[in-house]
Amino acid sequence: AQTVTQSQPEMSVQEAETVTLSCTYDTSESDYYLFWYKQPPSRQMILVIRQEAYKQQNATENRFSVNFQKAAKSFSLKISDSQLGDAAMYFCAYSEGGSEKLVFGKGTKLTVNP
Amino acid sequence: NAGVMQNPRHLVRRRGQEARLRCSPMKGHSHVYWYRQLPEEGLKFMVYLQKENIIDESGMPKERFSAEFPKEGPSILRIQQVVRGDSAAYFCASSLQGMGGYTFGSGTRLTVV
Repeated sequence: AQTVTQSQPEMSVQEAETVTLSCTYDTSESDYYLFWYKQPPSRQMILVIRQEAYKQQNATENRFSVNFQKAAKSFSLKISDSQLGDAAMYFCAYSEGGSEKLVFGKGTKLTVNP
Repeated sequence: NAGVMQNPRHLVRRRGQEARLRCSPMKGHSHVYWYRQLPEEGLKFMVYLQKENIIDESGMPKERFSAEFPKEGPSILRIQQVVRGDSAAYFCASSLQGMGGYTFGSGTRLTVV
């Protein structure tokens, strides 16, 4: 079974600085997708960024970018110029190609200090 | 264009009662997914439905839990004879085509007392 591991239960960053959240996954599939979701205190799950495994180029969305290392099965999220509104739980997730099911990690709680 | 609407936002039930959680997908979305989030945990897949069909229920507990997505109306997750261990946040999501990039609702927090 596929698993997703987030080894950092909590992280903190100073406002305007950069932080990287780690995620590793385990799969024997070659066709899959990886995601980062943000869950602020409102509890809403918000898609931050998505990566297709067949794409070598790392996905980027404004201040959010990923470092996708397929051989190492690593998928870290970098947040640049951190803002107070970035404070939230961040979940890494995996889905197998052709499957509708997401497998989530346990999350990393990000605190942004002013 | 409203997002995925879940209600109620909070639900309190006594042990042994039934809980009904509702989810209205985004307009035009015909795929609905239910996930459960226990305290300090990530979301766990429960069931995937399309209109009038259960496609994948591999994450549903074998007893007391059921889900439906009728031709008309919201999707319903039903938990019969609730127990304390059912206390969790239940999230619904919807999509046009799946592949995980779906839109989540804000969840229903179920508390069993």
